[in-house]
Amino acid sequence: DVKVTQSSRYLVKRTGEKVFLECVQDMDHENMFWYRQDPGLGLRLIYFSYDVKMKEKGDIPEGYSVSREKKERFSLILESASTNQTSMYLCASRTSGRANEQFFGPGTRLTVL
Amino acid sequence: AQSVAQPEDQVNVAEGNPLTVKCTYSVSGNPYLFWYVQYPNRGLQFLLKYITGDNLVKGSYGFEAEFNKSQTSFHLKKPSALVSDSALYFCAVRDRAGNNRKLIWGLGTSLAVNP
Repeated sequence: DVKVTQSSRYLVKRTGEKVFLECVQDMDHENMFWYRQDPGLGLRLIYFSYDVKMKEKGDIPEGYSVSREKKERFSLILESASTNQTSMYLCASRTSGRANEQFFGPGTRLTVL
Repeated sequence: AQSVAQPEDQVNVAEGNPLTVKCTYSVSGNPYLFWYVQYPNRGLQFLLKYITGDNLVKGSYGFEAEFNKSQTSFHLKKPSALVSDSALYFCAVRDRAGNNRKLIWGLGTSLAVNP
């Protein structure tokens, strides 16, 4: 089974802190994604990566950056956390091929105080 | 603009009754179509997808979905609902051509199955 793990289930940070969210997948998938999920807004794509060191902006990249130094790991970085970044963050991975489904991690619920 | 609509924020159904969760889309061509489910306090799980062929697609946990090209719909169905089916359901589509690497997601439908 594909396994996507995220470093924390719950995280509490203070405004202005730099926050790292880590995601690791064990199935050699080329593509990895970071979403945030908010009530009534569904899933919104922040960034994705289709190869090591490659990244592409999603729909809401402002205030976020990403890093993909190894194929299995995709990190989301909040350079200076703000209260409006309080959310559920979901990582996903997918092998190449437009018809292939995404596999999701359990999510990180981030609260910024 | 490409979009996916799930017209119902919430669907309530009695256990044992059939259920339908609706999805319509506006995407050029014949897209790939997906359903995902999110059980409480868990990540999303893939449920089923339509690629080509038979318009009725069968997936996990007894769910199926019917692709209707003329109505641009991909409704999720189950003949007999279980309380354990209570979850948040997302429809997503992806076009077959072009440079778009992203899925387009609906906003989700919360399904409540009452005992």
